[in-house]
Amino acid sequence: DSGVTQTPKHLITATGQRVTLRCSPRSGDLSVYWYQQSLDQGLQFLIQYYNGEERAKGNILERFSAQQFPDLHSELNLSSLELGDSALYFCASSPRTSGSYNEQFFGPGTRLTVL
Amino acid sequence: AQKITQTQPGMFVQEKEAVTLDCTYDTSDQSYGLFWYKQPSSGEMIFLIYQGSYDEQNATEGRYSLNFQKARKSANLVISASQLGDSAMYFCAMREADTGNQFYFGTGTSLTVIP
Repeated sequence: DSGVTQTPKHLITATGQRVTLRCSPRSGDLSVYWYQQSLDQGLQFLIQYYNGEERAKGNILERFSAQQFPDLHSELNLSSLELGDSALYFCASSPRTSGSYNEQFFGPGTRLTVL
Repeated sequence: AQKITQTQPGMFVQEKEAVTLDCTYDTSDQSYGLFWYKQPSSGEMIFLIYQGSYDEQNATEGRYSLNFQKARKSANLVISASQLGDSAMYFCAMREADTGNQFYFGTGTSLTVIP
């Protein structure tokens, strides 16, 4: 158990809908990262927050947004869902935001299926 | 250019034998970190081992060791005495300390341990 929690574990929804994925980092970790893992794309970095502020942006679509709250939990919002958004969404946390040694601890993931 | 390249989509190894999973990386940063993660069929991402760019000795963690060849920009994972539970996807990742906060992941290698 990494100490990172993600809810829900599974989510099934329809095209055009909006969903919210939730992540609670390990106690004391200030950085939260979101990743999308699909079969054909591998593990893609989406976005990073550090202590409530956006720090890095990867291949995140405009239909997706995220935020980190004062209690450090984070939410990833996916809207106007398409079939291709079906994937495993990981949240990871780390204590720091910079430096080469910045081990990330991954949550169990949320499996999103868009029908 | 790909930041992380894993050229072996699938590997097989006999139980109790050693296996090397290849990883090459591309960076112009002087300070960076290299990571290996294991993803079993259950889906969670498990941190295995870390190597910093300034570390002179190869990292070891139990049966895992990282064969770091800086000049060749390679960071191969060596698993000794393979066990059936080692069957999983293995991802190599890099974090550049000088530029940005992203983690870059390779496409992964699927390892199957044969009894």
